[in-house]
Order: sequence, then C-alpha cells, then structure tokens
Amino acid sequence: DNQMTQSPSSLSASVGDRVTITCRASQTISRYLNWYQQKPGKAPKLLIYATSTLQSGVPSRFSGSGSGTDFTLTISSLQPEDFATYYCQQSYSTPPTFGGGTKVEI
Amino acid sequence: VELLESGGGLVQPGGSLRLSCAASGFTFSSFAVTWVRQAPGKGLEWVSTISARGANTFYADSVKGRFTISRDNSKNTLYLQMNSLRAEDTAVYYCAKGRGDTGSSEIYHFDYWGQGTLVTVSS
Repeated sequence: DNQMTQSPSSLSASVGDRVTITCRASQTISRYLNWYQQKPGKAPKLLIYATSTLQSGVPSRFSGSGSGTDFTLTISSLQPEDFATYYCQQSYSTPPTFGGGTKVEI
Repeated sequence: VELLESGGGLVQPGGSLRLSCAASGFTFSSFAVTWVRQAPGKGLEWVSTISARGANTFYADSVKGRFTISRDNSKNTLYLQMNSLRAEDTAVYYCAKGRGDTGSSEIYHFDYWGQGTLVTVSS
C-alpha cells in the first residue's frame, strides 16, 4: 500500500497567518493527490483535487502544489473558519490511502 | 447532491449490521461510490468501493471476507453488509461519491460525503 505521511500532525496559528502542510507518499502518485478539510463532528469536505485544482466554492486562499511523492497545502491567510483537521489522500492506486491528518488550532 | 447514511447502532462482537446510503441530486448509476470510516478520535480509513453498475468491488484488507458492498441503482441506494464485527470496526461510516467511474483517479476522488452513521461494536 502507498503510505501517506503528513506533517506536522498539529500546528498552532493565528488568524492571518500563512500555513503550510506537507504530505509525502511512499511511492510516486504523479499528481493524484487530494486534500480534505474536516471540522469536528462533520463529514470531510473536498478542498483540492489533482494536487492543485480547487473544488468549486473553495476560497482562493487555499492552494496546493507538488508532484511525484511530495505535496503541499497552503493557506495564504488563515481565517477563523479554517481551524479544522486537514487530510491528504492519494487517488492513484488501490487502496486509496489517507494521511494521518493535520489539526490546525488557534 | 445529498448522501444520507442509516443503519448504524450498537452490535455485539461477532454480530452483523447493514448500512444504507440513500443518494439524491445526481445520476447515481453513473458514479462509483465508496464507504470510508473513522474510528473515534482517529483518521480516515477507506473501506470499500463499488463501480457504477456494480460489476467491480474493492475492499480494504481489514474488512475483506467480512464486509460486502452492493448497490441498487433503481433505488439510488448503496449498502454495506458487515458480518463478524469486531471492536476495531467501531467507527463513523461515511459514504462518498466518486467523481466518475473510470480509473482510480475518478473512483477515489471523493467529491461529496454523507454525514455518517456510527457503528459501535461492544458487548
């Protein structure tokens, strides 16, 4: 299985901060990398797919980059509604695998 | 697009449960659908996927031989039959819609999710 490793597992930030989360795959996944946001008690929500394409309705302060095995999610200016847990996920091969999550806290 | 799971509850180890996911707002028969679970306080774990017409099914090793995914396109409903349940199957189970039905990049691109249903396996 293709292991997805996220770092950090948690971070503390303030409103307005630039936040970067990294995700590393144990085997190459081309650009088949998706990012999800999950708030407590809620279902995950797709933010970015295929490394850098924003899902409809997602604010432009979110961006993604990378290829191969190393990927990044960036929030350019953290907003109060962005405090959540973020997961990366590879859709390159079966089984699809998720990173362990990054909790973004105040 | 709406996905509404049901069927969760408390079950004893070794018992069975069937989850359902009612879909609306899209052409259900054109998209792969998936079950993803989340144990309390833990991350997301893929469980199983079924292709649009039901011809192809895929399972995580942790549930293979115990869980069966199926769908009824005439009822726009996805199912997960769970047998021989274990304590480690305790989780919120989400159904998720794929972006399409062709290749991993489409079937494992989860663009819409249900709100989840809690399964607790305990004596």
